[in-house]
Amino acid sequence: AQKVTQAQTEISVVEKEDVTLDCVYETRDTTYYLFWYKQPPSGELVFLIRRNSFDEQNEISGRYSWNFQKSTSSFNFTITASQVVDSAVYFCARKTGRRALTFGSGTRLQVQP
Amino acid sequence: DAGVIQSPRHEVTEMGQEVTLRCKPISGHNSLFWYRQTMMRGLELLIYFNNNVPIDDSGMPEDRFSAKMPNASFSTLKIQPSEPRDSAVYFCASGTTGNYGYTFGSGTRLTVV
Repeated sequence: AQKVTQAQTEISVVEKEDVTLDCVYETRDTTYYLFWYKQPPSGELVFLIRRNSFDEQNEISGRYSWNFQKSTSSFNFTITASQVVDSAVYFCARKTGRRALTFGSGTRLQVQP
Repeated sequence: DAGVIQSPRHEVTEMGQEVTLRCKPISGHNSLFWYRQTMMRGLELLIYFNNNVPIDDSGMPEDRFSAKMPNASFSTLKIQPSEPRDSAVYFCASGTTGNYGYTFGSGTRLTVV
C-alpha cells in the first residue's frame, strides 16, 4: 500500500509560535491529490485544503500555509502565530483516481496559552 | 445544507448484539464512505459506494460487518455479532466523483462491552 507518513506524533507549542506539521507520501501515480483535515477535540473531521499533483504552488490561507514539494514527496502544513483554538489532531491524506482517501496517522498539536 | 448526518452519536452495546449505524449523505453527493477510527489503527477505510454500488469493500474486517446503500440518501453499516474489539468511532463521509475532499459526519462512537 502506498503510505502517507506523519512522523510527528505530537507537538506542543506556546501560543504565537509558528509550527510546521510534516507529511510525506508514497505514490507511483503521476496524478494524485493531497489533503489536510483537522480533527478538533469535539471529534469531527474538518476539510482544510486539497492540492493536485500538477500544482506545486504554495498556498496561504490566513495563518495557514502549505508547502508542496514533489521532489521530496512532501506536503507540509505551517500554522503561523498559533492559537489555542488550533489545538487538534491534523491528518494528511492522499487520493488517486477512484480510490478513497488514504490517511496518515495524524499529528496531535497542543497549543499552550 | 445539513451536512452528513450520522446516527446514533453514541452506542453502547453488549458483546454478541447486533449494531446498526446509519448515515445520510449530503444531497447530490454520489460517493459514500465508511471509515473507522481507533487509537491503534488510525483512520481506516471500511467500504465505499459510488452511485449506491459498493466499489471497494476490502477494508471490511470480516463477515460480521456488512454495509448497504439502498438509495442515494441512506446507508447502513451493520455489525453482527458485535465484539469488544469493534469499539471505535465510525465515520461516514460523502463526496462527488473525482478527486475532491469529502465531507465527514460527526461520527458514531461505538462501545462494545
